[in-house]
Amino acid sequence: QKEVEQNSGPLSVPEGAIASLNCTYSDRGSQSFFWYRQYSGKSPELIMFIYSNGDKEDGRFTAQLNKASQYVSLLIRDSQPSDSATYLCAVDSNYQLIWGAGTKLIIKP
Amino acid sequence: NAGVMQNPRHLVRRRGQEARLRCSPMKGHSHVYWYRQLPEEGLKFMVYLQKENIIDESGMPKERFSAEFPKEGPSILRIQQVVRGDSAAYFCASSAGGSNTEAFFGQGTRLTVV
Repeated sequence: QKEVEQNSGPLSVPEGAIASLNCTYSDRGSQSFFWYRQYSGKSPELIMFIYSNGDKEDGRFTAQLNKASQYVSLLIRDSQPSDSATYLCAVDSNYQLIWGAGTKLIIKP
Repeated sequence: NAGVMQNPRHLVRRRGQEARLRCSPMKGHSHVYWYRQLPEEGLKFMVYLQKENIIDESGMPKERFSAEFPKEGPSILRIQQVVRGDSAAYFCASSAGGSNTEAFFGQGTRLTVV
């Protein structure tokens, strides 16, 4: 069974620090990797997607992909209280997005 | 440019009733995905549809659940004879292509079965 694993947290990070969120996946054939943010009671919103090994940066966010290790991560620099949310990792497998259960991130002022 | 629209936002049904959840994709999007999120759990894929076709329904329960995306009108997720375990948030997403690149989510329908 294809799986996406995330540490459920909560992960507590001081304001201004770097938050590091990790995700592993089981399907070696996956090509597309996504990070979504979900605030409590709201729908997921796309933060970033990455296809190639290495880093991809967008503002305060950096996605990192290592296909050999089947590992994808999200770094949030200069963490803000508004970054407190659940972060969902999703991996494309055929027509589906396979989702992790999410990591709850808490940014402490 | 309106986003993905789901209605109703909240739906209460008694056990044994039918629930109909609607999803209108973003303009220009012809690919629709339905997901279910149980309390304190991650999103689970249910079904992927294109106009008038079900492409993948591997995540749909075999009984009581069905989905459609007609040529005209919204996509419908239908749950017959609801049970308490069906209580969840149901999200719809749409994309322009089938690769899941930049799929956008609706606000979800919160179904409560009493």
